[in-house]
Amino acid sequence: RKEVEQDPGPFNVPEGATVAFNCTYSNSASQSFFWYRQDCRKEPKLLMSVYSSGNEDGRFTAQLNRASQYISLLIRDSKLSDSATYLCVVNIGNTDKLIFGTGTRLQVFP
Amino acid sequence: EPEVTQTPSHQVTQMGQEVILRCVPISNHLYFYWYRQILGQKVEFLVSFYNNEISEKSEIFDDQFSVERPDGSNFTLKIRSTKLEDSAMYFCASSPTGQGDTQYFGPGTRLTVL
Repeated sequence: RKEVEQDPGPFNVPEGATVAFNCTYSNSASQSFFWYRQDCRKEPKLLMSVYSSGNEDGRFTAQLNRASQYISLLIRDSKLSDSATYLCVVNIGNTDKLIFGTGTRLQVFP
Repeated sequence: EPEVTQTPSHQVTQMGQEVILRCVPISNHLYFYWYRQILGQKVEFLVSFYNNEISEKSEIFDDQFSVERPDGSNFTLKIRSTKLEDSAMYFCASSPTGQGDTQYFGPGTRLTVL
């Protein structure tokens, strides 16, 4: 089983749509969770950390379900500028390294 | 806003040559990392560095790789004898405290081995 698994997409959605991405992780010792965004041939940029109680940042909402080892990202009112690859990233507590999923590609069209 | 910087942005080299990739982490950060991303694949951890020594390395980080912090600002990745399969994007990252804290990535160096 992959350490971090994501649907690669692509998700093609119109502007204004709501879109949700899911991610599962295999190591139950995972302690920190993040969503990063990566534009084509650019570096990963932190979108948001994911907390156990769930958290929201503007149009973006992240949820964590530790029992199911599942993380989600919801984007409301999609903008053209949201087009990117969204990376689910996990850190296991006894190490510094980040473990990346392969990413889910989002394309927002007018 | 402070950023991680990397040079060069693109490096082309012949197989068997040595390359040094350079990074300037965010100034008050204490933990430094190298990751790589082969085209079309996921980002993979190479090495973490703290207090002037390697704290963790992956299976990819074999004897051909080394890291160094030669002065108070630079953090380098050296590949001694490049192979075709080393062609990838190499990202440097830094973190204020490590231990699951947010890591901030530089813009990357695209390494092409011919």
